[in-house]
Amino acid sequence: LAKTTQPISMDSYEGQEVNITCSHNNIATNDYITWYQQFPSQGPRFIIQGYKTKVTNEVASLFIPADRKSSTLSLPRVSLSDTAVYYCLVNRPGAGSYQLTFGKGTKLSVIP
Amino acid sequence: DAGVIQSPRHEVTEMGQEVTLRCKPISGHNSLFWYRQTMMRGLELLIYFNNNVPIDDSGMPEDRFSAKMPNASFSTLKIQPSEPRDSAVYFCASSAKVDQPQHFGDGTRLSIL
Repeated sequence: LAKTTQPISMDSYEGQEVNITCSHNNIATNDYITWYQQFPSQGPRFIIQGYKTKVTNEVASLFIPADRKSSTLSLPRVSLSDTAVYYCLVNRPGAGSYQLTFGKGTKLSVIP
Repeated sequence: DAGVIQSPRHEVTEMGQEVTLRCKPISGHNSLFWYRQTMMRGLELLIYFNNNVPIDDSGMPEDRFSAKMPNASFSTLKIQPSEPRDSAVYFCASSAKVDQPQHFGDGTRLSIL
């Protein structure tokens, strides 16, 4: 299964756009990318999912280049409440099985 | 929608004791996942079920760990006998289908003394 690599931590000021990049060099043809957010003492929460190009929802955007070896989660105008750990996953559906693995995540600290 | 419900929220017990963690998935979801989270290893998938059937238990660390899903609304993760290195936060998650986004519970913080 494709291994993911993310920065361990990032700092940002309130109101700025934050981009978190995840590397997944050996992603396979049918794999897709999912991002989760986790606050302290809570379970992870789904943010966004995509296969290629760009996906946008009310929370974030996900950019995936043509080679799909990386992806970037973009959070517009972050606030203090966006301080959390962000996980990038590569999901591999298969006949009768399913593989996924969480990486170590990126700890985002938003500064006033 | 009540979300995924886990119990207990906290468990402290002595090594050697049996520990049972419980999970109620979101109604209508067909897939259920058990995870373990520690500082050292991050979030690890232990086992997942699809339509109440265990599909992949390759993440279960040892035979001391077992999981069951007797019906669509209930699952247990059991550790017997428990050891201090089992101390972690255990999460249960469910999804409508196995490859759909997962909804996580708030976890059980387990401490084995």
